[in-house]
Amino acid sequence: QVQLVQSGAEVKKPGASVKVSCKASGYTFTSYAIHWVRQAPGQSLEWMGWINGGNGETKYSEKVQGRVTITRDTSASTAYMELSSLRSEDTAVYYCARDWGMNYVAHWGQGTLVIVSS
Amino acid sequence: DIQMTQSPSSLSASVGDRVTITCRASQGISNYLAWFQQKPGKAPKSLIYAASSLQSGVPSKFSGSGSGTDFTLTISSLQPEDFATYYCQQYNSYPLTFGQGTKLEIK
Repeated sequence: QVQLVQSGAEVKKPGASVKVSCKASGYTFTSYAIHWVRQAPGQSLEWMGWINGGNGETKYSEKVQGRVTITRDTSASTAYMELSSLRSEDTAVYYCARDWGMNYVAHWGQGTLVIVSS
Repeated sequence: DIQMTQSPSSLSASVGDRVTITCRASQGISNYLAWFQQKPGKAPKSLIYAASSLQSGVPSKFSGSGSGTDFTLTISSLQPEDFATYYCQQYNSYPLTFGQGTKLEIK
């Protein structure tokens, strides 16, 4: 079965960067895209971007473009999301999710809490 | 960006009830609409895609309908495990956007 296992919680200072990993199993990693979605405390979900597992093509939300970089390591079946210049508003749970087709996300990781605090 | 508006924002219902949640898109999205269920401290769970198709493993008590700008999620015969927050999401165009959520609570 499809599984996405994310790295553990992080505490960062404002201005720092964070890199969250998402290890995939149960399917051919290069056949599907991975999306990143975040959820601030008590808020709704916000799509950040995705990466094509095969060719590495990426697309980002304009809101975080310039600060976010999504990469993948096909040999490790792992996707990464790096967010730089962190600010308190970036405190959230970050989820990776696997595309099912045409940008529908059917499978979710367990989430990674990132806290930005001085 | 396409704005997704859910109503109501919260809903109280009893075990055994049938409830309907609506989701409206600020512009037409054909049927590129998904519904997710989220319980506190957990990742979202995919319920419905393409507005009305049930994700594998999801019970048939969940059903979706709509096309264009107006969509509904109906849950029949509510059970204690159904009390959660529900989100709609459009995946017709970038950026993908979510509704603000509907919190379904036990009356």
